[in-house]
Amino acid sequence: DADVTQTPRNRITKTGKRIMLECSQTKGHDRMYWYRQDPGLGLRLIYYSFDVKDINKGEISDGYSVSRQAQAKFSLSLESAIPNQTALYFCATSELGQQGEQTQYFGPGTRLLVL
Amino acid sequence: QKEVEQDPGPLSVPEGAIVSLNCTYSNSAFQYFMWYRQYSRKGPELLMYTYSSGNKEDGRFTAQVDKSSKYISLFIRDSQPSDSATYLCAMREYGGSQGNLIFGKGTKLSVKP
Repeated sequence: DADVTQTPRNRITKTGKRIMLECSQTKGHDRMYWYRQDPGLGLRLIYYSFDVKDINKGEISDGYSVSRQAQAKFSLSLESAIPNQTALYFCATSELGQQGEQTQYFGPGTRLLVL
Repeated sequence: QKEVEQDPGPLSVPEGAIVSLNCTYSNSAFQYFMWYRQYSRKGPELLMYTYSSGNKEDGRFTAQVDKSSKYISLFIRDSQPSDSATYLCAMREYGGSQGNLIFGKGTKLSVKP
């Protein structure tokens, strides 16, 4: 089984709808992240969480909210979806290495299309 | 100026070629440098990691960091069609609990049989 799973894998929605993307991990990592990836723009951080009680905004948090329901679960919500939120969304977890490096482990992604 | 610059390509090479992928950056405080590989319709996966300056080799892959020039490279020797993917550089200032990874936009590589 995959260590980081995302549901749904694909989603088509309409402008103004509220949708939730879910992420679960079995790696036991405290840190979790949500990114979006757009052609020509690369990976951009939306929100991140260092533990259940810690939520932080990333580079592009406007229009998004998150919930860390448990160590293993981190959900991303679009309160009122708009077409420019059409993108590939990735959840990631990370652990701290011996030299202080952070290795991030990504889920398979969710393709979101907002019409 | 973006913190991390990466040529998006696409880069197309014949099988067996040596591939050079590069990133430049502006923040001299970056200490941790990583290369991620992303196959089509998959999430990125860590390929190589380097701390501070120097080289690191892993099989056909070599990562180089030149902090004086703020320039990192990934070399792939004897490239294979299975190396066809998008390669993202990533870097980070701090060790421990602070700071997040900053990613380049990725270079799309195609290795032709």
